[in-house]
Formats: sequence, structure tokens, C-alpha cells
Amino acid sequence: KNEVEQSPQNLTAQEGEFITINCSYSVGISALHWLQQHPGGGIVSLFMLSSGKKKHGRLIATINIQEKHSSLHITASHPRDSAVYICAVSSGTYKYIFGTGTRLKVLA
Amino acid sequence: DAGVIQSPRHEVTEMGQEVTLRCKPISGHNSLFWYRQTMMRGLELLIYFNNNVPIDDSGMPEDRFSAKMPNASFSTLKIQPSEPRDSAVYFCASSLTENYGYTFGSGTRLTVV
Repeated sequence: KNEVEQSPQNLTAQEGEFITINCSYSVGISALHWLQQHPGGGIVSLFMLSSGKKKHGRLIATINIQEKHSSLHITASHPRDSAVYICAVSSGTYKYIFGTGTRLKVLA
Repeated sequence: DAGVIQSPRHEVTEMGQEVTLRCKPISGHNSLFWYRQTMMRGLELLIYFNNNVPIDDSGMPEDRFSAKMPNASFSTLKIQPSEPRDSAVYFCASSLTENYGYTFGSGTRLTVV
């Protein structure tokens, strides 16, 4: 079993839909990151969380430390949100454990 | 700031050739990381530098791989000799401190034929 599990692995949505991507982890962490990678593109750090909730534009990230679970929500999804979303956790060192990613496709 | 700058963006080389990937971290960031991304294994940490000193190179796959950071503004990852299984996207990332969030470069897509 992977230490960081993401679900779903693949997701197709219609433009405007509310999207949720989940990340569960089995190790103790000090921080959790959500990363975005467009096809053939670089990796962008969306959020770094250690507790609670963060919001940036149409993106919202939440984390429940007790349940070892985080969610990334996208409101009013748009085709430009199509990307791979990666959850990564750190136990307080420079080493991150990466999830395998959720491939999101938003159709116009 | 221009972000983390990697070059080249794409590299196609023949098996056995030497390949050098380059990275310029964000000014003021003292931590630099080289990652490799493949479909099979996802993102793997190859090596971590702090203040230009290699701290952890346990992820470097073999002696064919080497990395240097001669100064705070430049790092290289070299593969010699290259093999087809080295084909991957190589990312450089930097951060203010080792526990701070990363900024990734755009990556170098390496194809060894």
C-alpha cells in the first residue's frame, strides 16, 4: 500500500462542475502540498497546508490531520483546469512522498 | 523573479552520449533539488543540495549520474554514459529552506535513443 493515496486516478468533468480530489496518507506529516502539472508542462505548487483550509481563486484545499486526509476542490471548473494534480507530504524534512496523481480533464 | 530556470527544455541523445542538464534556482533560495519523473515511478528525488553542499544523494540511480552545485546560482546534473532507461522528465526545484514549499522549474524532457 502506498503511503500517499489519491482518488480518483482519473476524472472527467463538464465545464462548470464542482470537482473534488482526495488525498489520504498513512504517515505523520508536518506539511502537505498540492501540485499541478499541465500536459508536457512544469509543476506548479498550488498550496502548502499543515492545518485547516486555504483558498486561492477557485481552488480550495482542506486538510484533516486527525483523519490523515486532504481534499482539493475546484469550483466552476474550466477546461484550463485540465491537468494532473499531485498530493505530496513531508514529515518535516526535505523529503516528500508523492501521490501518483489525479488526471483531470474538464470538457467544454 | 524569473523562477527556477532549466535548460534545455528538450534533449534527444544517442545511447552512450554524455548529457548535461542545467538549473538556475531562485535567487536567495538555499535548497536545491533534482527530481526525475517517469510514468512508472512518478517523481523521485535524485539529490538535495543545501547551501551548495550535497546533503542527500541516495536517490542517484547509479554512478553514471552526477550532480554539482559550484555556486548558489547554478547546478548541473550529468549522465555519462546515457542509456534509454534514463529517458524521463528531470525537474529542478528550489526553496527558501528545506522545509519551505518548492518552486519547480519547467523540466527537461530527456529522450535517449
